[in-house]
Amino acid sequence: GAGVSQTPSNKVTEKGKYVELRCDPISGHTALYWYRQSLGQGPEFLIYFQGTGAADDSGLPNDRFFAVRPEGSVSTLKIQRTERGDSAVYLCASSSLAGGGEQYFGPGTRLTVT
Amino acid sequence: GQQLNQSPQSMFIQEGEDVSMNCTSSSIFNTWLWYKQDPGEGPVLLIALYKAGELTSNGRLTAQFGITRKDSFLNISASIPSDVGIYFCAGLMSGNQFYFGTGTSLTVIP
Repeated sequence: GAGVSQTPSNKVTEKGKYVELRCDPISGHTALYWYRQSLGQGPEFLIYFQGTGAADDSGLPNDRFFAVRPEGSVSTLKIQRTERGDSAVYLCASSSLAGGGEQYFGPGTRLTVT
Repeated sequence: GQQLNQSPQSMFIQEGEDVSMNCTSSSIFNTWLWYKQDPGEGPVLLIALYKAGELTSNGRLTAQFGITRKDSFLNISASIPSDVGIYFCAGLMSGNQFYFGTGTSLTVIP
């Protein structure tokens, strides 16, 4: 079946602009995670959804970052007033288990803030 | 956040050789996952471990959940060129946050 998909694959934006990154999880997966990966590093947790609710958003770096999952499927990560330090690959993962289960990743969105 | 020490940082091996890498922490983990990531791609799940002492294989890959629950090991037997990539461990202590190691970069020389 289809895996996790993310759009766009690449996004270049100017400092101060607003961006939205989209994640389509594997069908039927109730758990959805967002991670950020900087060059040469492992993925860093941002936020976890179980269903429609953000069960754990403790990884969001500041209040410029926000994510939603209104219908318990597709999720959107929103970044306001982007800064050059936000440049990274943003990865989405989904799981059929509520927390602690095997996570399957999408290809990521490479965000570049100029 | 929690730090997972992954070693070695990089490896250069001859095709056919076996590979060993590990992930250690000062904290106790309940779940370990091992991933492989190719350039420009998302991480691909290789093996999941849920119990201390558990030994699990997936083809030429074998991973173990350390008895102390503070470490995990991944072995690749008879390496082939397509094994090239970056290998990440990820550990779950409690709750929902997985912590990832910094990766082991594997190069296989034909």
